[in-house]
Amino acid sequence: GAGVSQSPSNKVTEKGKDVELRCDPISGHTALYWYRQSLGQGLEFLIYFQGNSAPDKSGLPSDRFSAERTGGSVSTLTIQRTQQEDSAVYLCASSLWRLAGGPDTQYFGPGTRLTVL
Amino acid sequence: AQSVTQLGSHVSVSEGALVLLRCNYSSSVPPYLFWYVQYPNQGLQLLLKYTTGATLVKGINGFEAEFKKSETSFHLTKPSAHMSDAAEYFCAVSFSGGYNKLIFGAGTRLAVHP
Repeated sequence: GAGVSQSPSNKVTEKGKDVELRCDPISGHTALYWYRQSLGQGLEFLIYFQGNSAPDKSGLPSDRFSAERTGGSVSTLTIQRTQQEDSAVYLCASSLWRLAGGPDTQYFGPGTRLTVL
Repeated sequence: AQSVTQLGSHVSVSEGALVLLRCNYSSSVPPYLFWYVQYPNQGLQLLLKYTTGATLVKGINGFEAEFKKSETSFHLTKPSAHMSDAAEYFCAVSFSGGYNKLIFGAGTRLAVHP
């Protein structure tokens, strides 16, 4: 079946503009994660969704960042008033979720490369 | 706080040589441990993971890793490097008791030369 897809693959924007990044998880995966990969900070966790709710938003770097998930499927990460330090690759991952027995594998999408000029 | 340290941001080996990528973690609770590989302009792919049970874990592409609790390590090895192994490798941890938020190391870029 299809893997995790993300769009757009590349986004160039001007400082101060808003951007939306989309993630389509693997069908049936209830858990969805956003990570950010940047030269200075490496791979960082941003937010976790279980279904449509986000019990952990602790990695969002500022209130300019928000995310939602609808229908337990597609997720959108929105960055308002972009800054140059937001330039990074934004990765989405999805997995099955189980209460016990260890974690299910996270499957990653190819990422969206965001460049803020 | 939990953390992951990968020793060596760049490792270079000859084709056919042993690959050893080092990972140490810090945790106050039993960890789950992962190695991911990232090829240029691609997402992360799981190589192997340790959750419970056997401490020597075999993964894809001939890689394996051993969980050593006493050394808080999870080093990745492959007996014989191929040119196609050139990529960036990330060690990651997550923790029991909930969801699987991954904490990543800084990554090790592996170069394989003829």
